[in-house]
Amino acid sequence: NAGVTQTPKFQVLKTGQSMTLQCAQDMNHEYMSWYRQDPGMGLRLIHYSVGAGITDQGEVPNGYNVSRSTTEDFPLRLLSAAPSQTSVYFCASSYRDSTTGELFFGEGSRLTVL
Amino acid sequence: AQSVTQLDSHVSVSEGTPVLLRCNYSSSYSPSLFWYVQHPNKGLQLLLKYTSAATLVKGINGFEAEFKKSETSFHLTKPSAHMSDAAEYFCVVSDRRYSTLTFGKGTMLLVSP
Repeated sequence: NAGVTQTPKFQVLKTGQSMTLQCAQDMNHEYMSWYRQDPGMGLRLIHYSVGAGITDQGEVPNGYNVSRSTTEDFPLRLLSAAPSQTSVYFCASSYRDSTTGELFFGEGSRLTVL
Repeated sequence: AQSVTQLDSHVSVSEGTPVLLRCNYSSSYSPSLFWYVQHPNKGLQLLLKYTSAATLVKGINGFEAEFKKSETSFHLTKPSAHMSDAAEYFCVVSDRRYSTLTFGKGTMLLVSP
């Protein structure tokens, strides 16, 4: 089982560039989410989706867009990268929602914005 | 609003000695509580969860946690540390009104030989 797959694992951008972090899961999970992890901050929710065609904002959504056209895929788009977006990004999925079930995480995408 | 506080940013133990990682939470409703572990350069993995059943919860790799409502705590313990337990541990709370979770800032567990 692949589980949750994130690409790329590493990326360096210049300020103002745009890019998309890809996330795919093969567990037929309805719930998918994106977190960013910064030292000493824990994980903070960027955006989440409770099913295809449905997305919502989390704690830190500014500067990011998402879409959910299929159950399997949940890409995260950085519209105009800024140094403050340097972070490790995690995609996570769950069978139903995140509140009672187990979240399955990808291995992360490490982004540096110069 | 819900919140979670991990009382130690770093905990150091010797191999074979007990582990205690402390977590306090705040929630207006009956919470669900979780502990996740993150090994270096890896994603997070669920260790155990509490969802209003038994207050003493057993997880993987010999870890357990006890839900204490009167103390609003959910401390993680293990009787005997192993070198492979060295990792960062996150306490997480959800009060079920939201479809989101709140993560603590993490506790780094260091295990020395």
